[in-house]
Amino acid sequence: DAKTTQPPSMDCAEGRAANLPCNHSTISGNEYVYWYRQIHSQGPQYIIHGLKNNETNEMASLIITEDRKSSTLILPHATLRDTAVYYCIVRVQTSSGSARQLTFGSGTQLTVLP
Amino acid sequence: DAGVIQSPRHEVTEMGQEVTLRCKPISGHDYLFWYRQTMMRGLELLIYFNNNVPIDDSGMPEDRFSAKMPNASFSTLKIQPSEPRDSAVYFCASSLSLRTGRLFFGSGTQLSVL
Repeated sequence: DAKTTQPPSMDCAEGRAANLPCNHSTISGNEYVYWYRQIHSQGPQYIIHGLKNNETNEMASLIITEDRKSSTLILPHATLRDTAVYYCIVRVQTSSGSARQLTFGSGTQLTVLP
Repeated sequence: DAGVIQSPRHEVTEMGQEVTLRCKPISGHDYLFWYRQTMMRGLELLIYFNNNVPIDDSGMPEDRFSAKMPNASFSTLKIQPSEPRDSAVYFCASSLSLRTGRLFFGSGTQLSVL
């Protein structure tokens, strides 16, 4: 059973904010939301993660709804190099947890248009 | 640090031949992961190691696949004999711990079995 649901594809104009949604309605209280992206012909790259508070780093911002059933990854000023598949993953943050919890689904293909 | 280094970048072989993929994790990372990516099945975790010890190999598709980690700075994934359905991109990743959920991926090996 998929823990997350993402749209298969999205377009965004260069220089505009890209808002990528993710539904995780069955998320547990101790599960974090992670975002990775995969640029064509490269390995996945970690972007950001959070539990319930909004998070921001040099790459993106993560907005998690108060009920934690959905989240949005925001790339504030998208560039052509942000064209990639974006994966939303939920997992328990524990050292005893299996690595299989970090499951990459189909993701969202974001295309940044010039 | 140069990041996770995989070799070769591309491998073309004939059915029945032995294939060996190599990976050098980031220095100091205790966890090493092997993933396979295909269009049909997406990104699948094959096996992962902790401190050079295999922890979970339930994703290894068949006995034809084997992985070793003789020391902290080197791992191999071997397929013997190879089959056309093994054609895929194989990624190696490393991590400081499972707790962080932050994996660092290599650039992958594109394997084509003819």
